[in-house]
Amino acid sequence: GENVEQHPSTLSVQEGDSAVIKCTYSDSASNYFPWYKQELGKRPQLIIDIRSNVGEKKDQRIAVTLNKTAKHFSLHITETQPEDSAVYFCAAQTASGGSYIPTFGRGTSLIVHP
Amino acid sequence: DAGVTQSPTHLIKTRGQQVTLRCSPKSGHDTVSWYQQALGQGPQFIFQYYEEEERQRGNFPDRFSGHQFPNYSSELNVNALLLGDSALYLCASSFNYRAGEAFFGQGTRLTVV
Repeated sequence: GENVEQHPSTLSVQEGDSAVIKCTYSDSASNYFPWYKQELGKRPQLIIDIRSNVGEKKDQRIAVTLNKTAKHFSLHITETQPEDSAVYFCAAQTASGGSYIPTFGRGTSLIVHP
Repeated sequence: DAGVTQSPTHLIKTRGQQVTLRCSPKSGHDTVSWYQQALGQGPQFIFQYYEEEERQRGNFPDRFSGHQFPNYSSELNVNALLLGDSALYLCASSFNYRAGEAFFGQGTRLTVV
């Protein structure tokens, strides 16, 4: 099955700095890569996603890049703000029996210091 | 639109007991997936329901079972609870099991003592 590795497990930055979280996946058939933000005690919320036919996608301060050959994808957050502090999960989604089931990374705890 | 709703929000059970968790999908969604999230971990896929049938199942024992109703809502049942079943149980809904984007509920925090 799919295996997703996520690094780093903890990332501490100063407000205004950029943050980068990296994930690798093992199944070359994976074709959808969502990123979720989970604040303490709250539900995971989709913040950006990318499909395998696209190399990069940007939404305001957030961008995701995908390298299919190397099987890795990254989340980039620019001009970080304290409210960006949360746990971020990457996922790789593979069709299994017709269903698209995501495999999640273990998460990155992002701490943005004011 | 209420989004995905789960009940209850918190639950404490004794080892060996049985528990039922409930999920109502986002309006317009017909597929419900359940996940277990242990502390400090990413969500682990339990199973997915579409058209009232279990379509896919993750690596969880038969103690974990589910059901989907005609209105697309779903239940997760766990029998013979173990201490290790303590976790946040998340429900996610999507439109059509082939769709990528899934919306999560706020979860049910289950504590087994």
